[in-house]
Amino acid sequence: ETGVTQSPTHLIKTRGQQVTLRCSSQSGHNTVSWYQQALGQGPQFIFQYYREEENGRGNFPPRFSGLQFPNYSSELNVNALELDDSALYLCASSGTSGYSTDTQYFGPGTRLTVL
Amino acid sequence: QKEVEQNSGPLSVPEGAIASLNCTYSDRGSQSFFWYRQYSGKSPELIMFIYSNGDKEDGRFTAQLNKASQYVSLLIRDSQPSDSATYLCAVEGSGGSYIPTFGRGTSLIVHP
Repeated sequence: ETGVTQSPTHLIKTRGQQVTLRCSSQSGHNTVSWYQQALGQGPQFIFQYYREEENGRGNFPPRFSGLQFPNYSSELNVNALELDDSALYLCASSGTSGYSTDTQYFGPGTRLTVL
Repeated sequence: QKEVEQNSGPLSVPEGAIASLNCTYSDRGSQSFFWYRQYSGKSPELIMFIYSNGDKEDGRFTAQLNKASQYVSLLIRDSQPSDSATYLCAVEGSGGSYIPTFGRGTSLIVHP
């Protein structure tokens, strides 16, 4: 167990809806990264938050947005859901300065299905 | 487009053998490299990271890095059925971009 928690575990939505996924980072960690992992693929970096500021973004459209709160927990919001958004969404926390990923610990993930 | 390539497998080895997993990357400036293990239906867990050319050993695992040839490998000695999983290679971006790029992973099957 890494101490990183995510909710919900599973979620089913329909195309066009909006979804919010949540992540609580490991105690003492101030950096949270979000990844999308499609079936049979490696995780794709969505964005990272460090001390409540977005600190890097992957090749995802603006309908993917996020927040980090003062307690370093985080949310991932996806608007206008598309079928291709169906994936495992992973949150990873690290206690670094935000410039390295060498202490990154993943949560259990949220499985999102878009119908 | 930064790329990380892994053979998707499956790689099948008998129990007790050495499993060799390979990864090549395109970003010549990358400095940090990671191996994760992911069991089916679970999230990735970090096995090892390596920064310097050469070998790094941790128990039954050895990571090997060759920056000139742009490849990193993971050796698992005395493979056990419990090692059966997908192994993901991740490469940290260069030039101030720490954003990691993951390969699609290699499926390893260790049979008794």
